[in-house]
Amino acid sequence: NAGVMQNPRHLVRRRGQEARLRCSPMKGHSHVYWYRQLPEEGLKFMVYLQKENIIDESGMPKERFSAEFPKEGPSILRIQQVVRGDSAAYFCASSPEGASNQPQHFGDGTRLSIL
Amino acid sequence: AQSVTQPDIHITVSEGASLELRCNYSYGATPYLFWYVQSPGQGLQLLLKYFSGDTLVQGIKGFEAEFKRSQSSFNLRKPSVHWSDAAEYFCAVAHKAAGNKLTFGGGTRVLVKP
Repeated sequence: NAGVMQNPRHLVRRRGQEARLRCSPMKGHSHVYWYRQLPEEGLKFMVYLQKENIIDESGMPKERFSAEFPKEGPSILRIQQVVRGDSAAYFCASSPEGASNQPQHFGDGTRLSIL
Repeated sequence: AQSVTQPDIHITVSEGASLELRCNYSYGATPYLFWYVQSPGQGLQLLLKYFSGDTLVQGIKGFEAEFKRSQSSFNLRKPSVHWSDAAEYFCAVAHKAAGNKLTFGGGTRVLVKP
């Protein structure tokens, strides 16, 4: 299956720890998007990356959150010093080009729980 | 800023009955429009999309949607639902001027009665 792969599927962290979420885009896709889904809410855009570049990070919280998409390897969403409010499902999507009319293909998400 | 509204949070429908999910968007120009479906614990699957042209769009799983510019709406329909259609449905928009990010509605959860 050459779909968008996210791992881990579930992640439990204690307050103050770091969380690292990984996303491997579909084969041939070089554009990655991260979204967050809080309980009982829709998905909210966080960040859009191309290989080695952050294109749009307008949805990222100003502190503790960072994202990267290195030349080799998966995209990483990193949350430092996690708090209870970070508990959510984090979804990664990819597309072959960074155009608004290119459908984004989603992974199954990482469900982050903060104790 | 663009926004998407799905007025119905929950809809319950009997198996075999028709289904219509509402979606309204707010944006100065016609955006690109999408419907996604999410089964519990899963990611989002694209049902259909509208970019331009014919305002009635056919998608997968027997779904269709109609773009109505005058009403800023993009409602999703299915003539006869199956139990497997129970899921959450999200309408989303994108526009070049707003970058490539998707803006999602709050979702409509569909329950199917036997």
